Amino acid sequence: TQLLEQSPQFLSIQEGENLTVYCNSSSVFSSLQWYRQEPGEGPVLLVTVVTGGEVKKLKRLTFQFGDARKDSSLHITAAQPGDTGLYLCAGWGSSNTGKLIFGQGTTLQVKP
Amino acid sequence: DTAVSQTPKYLVTQMGNDKSIKCEQNLGHDTMYWYKQDSKKFLKIMFSYNNKELIINETVPNRFSPKSPDKAHLNLHINSLELGDSAVYFCASNTGTGASPLHFGNGTRLTVT
Repeated sequence: TQLLEQSPQFLSIQEGENLTVYCNSSSVFSSLQWYRQEPGEGPVLLVTVVTGGEVKKLKRLTFQFGDARKDSSLHITAAQPGDTGLYLCAGWGSSNTGKLIFGQGTTLQVKP
Repeated sequence: DTAVSQTPKYLVTQMGNDKSIKCEQNLGHDTMYWYKQDSKKFLKIMFSYNNKELIINETVPNRFSPKSPDKAHLNLHINSLELGDSAVYFCASNTGTGASPLHFGNGTRLTVT
């Protein structure tokens, strides 16, 4: 069974601080995705990383896929209150099972 | 235009009852899913359908029965509801190819009392 371990589970920081969320597994994933979920809504895709070592930037968010395609990280620079939400990493298995496996999520609170 | 819509948004019912959740997508996607999000926010896949055909059934109790009348609709019927069924249920869809992202509905919060 492929599992994704996300850390930290909760993060409360002040506006302007930087943070990193980690997503780790002992399994190889063909690709990893990061989603953001706000209260009362479904998760919304932020990014997909496919190639080992890949780095993608989305404004103040930087996503990295590990060289071995077993882990990923999300770094937010100068966090803002609007970044508050639940961040979920999710991986498509390497054996093409058609299943998107989610990590436990990181709840981020950015205080003004 | 809502891409993936599910109804109802909230469902409160008593143990032992039977209830249904409906889902429709207007994205032209071939694959649809049901996920369950527990109180700790963990999202777990339950079922997936590709073009009305069941592809994934993740050892969900057979009290849960999905039905896909066409590729734009995937409904979830739950018999003999139990307290542990309380959760938020999300419908999602994608093209079913490669790393195609999932498009989620806004969830149905089911509370069993």
